[in-house]
Amino acid sequence: GENVEQHPSTLSVQEGDSAVIKCTYSDSASNYFPWYKQELGKGPQLIIDIRSNVGEKKDQRIAVTLNKTAKHFSLHITETQPEDSAVYFCAASLTGNQFYFGTGTSLTVIP
Amino acid sequence: DAGITQSPRHKVTETGTPVTLRCHQTENHRYMYWYRQDPGHGLRLIHYSYGVKDTDKGEVSDGYSVSRSKTEDFLLTLESATSSQTSVYFCAISPDGMNTEAFFGQGTRLTVV
Repeated sequence: GENVEQHPSTLSVQEGDSAVIKCTYSDSASNYFPWYKQELGKGPQLIIDIRSNVGEKKDQRIAVTLNKTAKHFSLHITETQPEDSAVYFCAASLTGNQFYFGTGTSLTVIP
Repeated sequence: DAGITQSPRHKVTETGTPVTLRCHQTENHRYMYWYRQDPGHGLRLIHYSYGVKDTDKGEVSDGYSVSRSKTEDFLLTLESATSSQTSVYFCAISPDGMNTEAFFGQGTRLTVV
């Protein structure tokens, strides 16, 4: 099956700085790459996604880039705020039902 | 939260006992999923359903069974709980499959002693 690796496992940034989280995947047939944010005690929530026919997608302060040749995709958060502190998960999917998640990145934004 | 209720939210059970977790949705979404979340593993799919009585296995289905007799309810059963099944379990729903937006419940923390 697919193997998704996510780095770093923890990340601390000063408020206002940018944060970047990177994921690699193993199966070149994967075609959908969502990012989920999980706050303490809650379930994951989709924040942005990208499909294999697109190289970059942006939504206000967050953006995702996809490099199909290198099989990696990244989450970029600009102008970080304390409420961005959470655990972020990347995922990759081939079929639409079999999803493979990364191991998560705990982001702390220091005021 | 998008009309998903998991019950119970917390449970402690003994090794060897059967356990059933319930996921109830009010969104009338076709797809429902059960994931487990463990440190160092992220989220792993246990089973999913693509309609009433239609289910399929995920990545870590051994030791688990599911049933979906109504659109709104998806049950996860541990036939004989083991300590390795101590985890946080999440239900997710989606109208068109996980390659569209999926909505997660708040999770059930299960401890097997």
